[in-house]
Amino acid sequence: AQSVTQLGSHVSVSEGALVLLRCNYSSSVPPYLFWYVQYPNQGLQLLLKYTSAATLVKGINGFEAEFKKSETSFHLTKPSAHMSDAAEYFCAVNPGYALNFGKGTSLLVTP
Amino acid sequence: SQTIHQWPATLVQPVGSPLSLECTVEGTSNPNLYWYRQAAGRGLQLLFYSVGIGQISSEVPQNLSASRPQDRQFILSSKKLLLSDSGFYLCAWKQGSMNTEAFFGQGTRLTVV
Repeated sequence: AQSVTQLGSHVSVSEGALVLLRCNYSSSVPPYLFWYVQYPNQGLQLLLKYTSAATLVKGINGFEAEFKKSETSFHLTKPSAHMSDAAEYFCAVNPGYALNFGKGTSLLVTP
Repeated sequence: SQTIHQWPATLVQPVGSPLSLECTVEGTSNPNLYWYRQAAGRGLQLLFYSVGIGQISSEVPQNLSASRPQDRQFILSSKKLLLSDSGFYLCAWKQGSMNTEAFFGQGTRLTVV
């Protein structure tokens, strides 16, 4: 079954520093992968998705992710963190009928 | 454009009381519909999904049930709530193809007391 694992339940960065949130997938076939962001007491918002068109995917709010088949990874990055980036981030894979989500990574941005 | 409405936003219910959470989608037809539950540190757990009117698939055994009486309406119910039913419930929709994303409602915070 297709699944994703997010490494690190909590990540803390300084404002202006690089953001790196890790996601590894488990799939025997090329997967469809997604990153979502969730602000407190809100639903999930799509940041970006990988659908095999390009390995480097650019999303909203300055985020991007690179699909690396050799590493089975789809890590999320942002060159410079803003205070407004503090939120929960979820990686997800679509095995067919529904998205399977990782356990999430809480991003803390400090001044 | 498509929108998804989920209500209520918060709910406090006593143990043993019934539950009905409603979700409606506008601007699309024949969507796949989903109920997820979110618990701290456990990510999103898929509870139910539906690919059409009256078609419900349950992912985990539980005290809850779901129904889809209309194409764009999805209801989560319980006859008698348990303390363990507390959590953040999210409704979502997507089109059926594998490369499409899911769109989420704003969620319902359910506290069973």
